[in-house]
Amino acid sequence: GENVEQHPSTLSVQEGDSAVIKCTYSDSASNYFPWYKQELGKGPQLIIDIRSNVGEKKDQRIAVTLNKTAKHFSLHITETQPEDSAVYFCAAGRSQGNLIFGKGTKLSVKP
Amino acid sequence: ETGVTQTPRHLVMGMTNKKSLKCEQHLGHNAMYWYKQSAKKPLELMFVYNFKEQTENNSVPSRFSPECPNSSHLFLHLHTLQPEDSALYLCASSQDRNTEAFFGQGTRLTVV
Repeated sequence: GENVEQHPSTLSVQEGDSAVIKCTYSDSASNYFPWYKQELGKGPQLIIDIRSNVGEKKDQRIAVTLNKTAKHFSLHITETQPEDSAVYFCAAGRSQGNLIFGKGTKLSVKP
Repeated sequence: ETGVTQTPRHLVMGMTNKKSLKCEQHLGHNAMYWYKQSAKKPLELMFVYNFKEQTENNSVPSRFSPECPNSSHLFLHLHTLQPEDSALYLCASSQDRNTEAFFGQGTRLTVV
């Protein structure tokens, strides 16, 4: 079946450094790629998404890049802060109704 | 606060019990979803409702029975569950199937 691979599973960075999380997907028909942040005791929250008609999207300290040929996309967080510590999930699919999620990356930002 | 409310937050039930999870959204959305989140596994989509009609059932065992009486409420009825069904059950909603989904905080279910 279709799947999404996410790496790394854990990531520890120093405050102020950048963090990069990478995902690859198998379904070439996927055209919607959201990223979610999940804090302890809360549900996932969408932080940024990209659709296959663009290669990069940025929102303040967060950016996502997409390479459809290679079927991979990445999340970039610059100038990390302790409040960025959470579990981050990537997903890929044709719509919200058929997303395949990665296993998650636990990001720890050390003050 | 995402506008999607799930109750209860925690539930412990025996394998012979029958219980229900409730989800309510006040966002005017037309699509609602149930997801299962288990430790060390990807988030799994269980059911999708669009305008109160079930459009997806991802091979979910019949011991999980969804109900969507109106576009604001979604239930997940549980009966004769197994210990491996213990997980965080998340509800989400979106304006339609092609727009951003908002998640509730989930119900932590433990089957004993």
